[in-house]
Amino acid sequence: NAGVTQTPKFQVLKTGQSMTLQCAQDMNHEYMSWYRQDPGMGLRLIHYSVGAGITDQGEVPNGYNVSRSTTEDFPLRLLSAAPSQTSVYFCASSWLGGSSETQYFGPGTRLLVL
Amino acid sequence: GQQLNQSPQSMFIQEGEDVSMNCTSSSIFNTWLWYKQDPGEGPVLLIALYKAGELTSNGRLTAQFGITRKDSFLNISASIPSDVGIYFCAGAAVHGSSNTGKLIFGQGTTLQVKP
Repeated sequence: NAGVTQTPKFQVLKTGQSMTLQCAQDMNHEYMSWYRQDPGMGLRLIHYSVGAGITDQGEVPNGYNVSRSTTEDFPLRLLSAAPSQTSVYFCASSWLGGSSETQYFGPGTRLLVL
Repeated sequence: GQQLNQSPQSMFIQEGEDVSMNCTSSSIFNTWLWYKQDPGEGPVLLIALYKAGELTSNGRLTAQFGITRKDSFLNISASIPSDVGIYFCAGAAVHGSSNTGKLIFGQGTTLQVKP
């Protein structure tokens, strides 16, 4: 199993540009989520999905869109990038319910918006 | 919303020393998790706790789920240089009596170990 994969690893954008951060998992996990990590603030939840076709907002959703057309993929879209979106983005996945809530994280995408 | 307060924010210790860090919350959690993040990598799960009062070990790491369900601590014994990194606590958010699947993270504890 490859686990959780993310592409690209690094990206530089200009203000106003759009891009999609890719996330895929091969563990058949129902739950997938996107976090951003900023210095001194831990990880903050952007959007999450409990299954294909179902998405919901997390703590900091503004400026980001998501979709979940398949169980495996959960892309994060920035429609018009802003410098405040400079951050490290992590995708995570897990099973739902019971005691299976441990989340597996991808290696991260480092985004710089100029 | 639910928040976690993690302390200390950073620690600089000598190799061989024991380390202790903790997380507290004003809300209850059904699950407490401890992650470690190495530089340039994503967080990796160290220990998962599912029951109030539970004490779980993973090698030199020991973590406990507080009996009030509002706190947890992580101890690292006999630290070594590869323990360097950022340690995060996380709680599984609940709504009523149901797990939501969402994790709330602490701010992280940065650990540095001097050989």
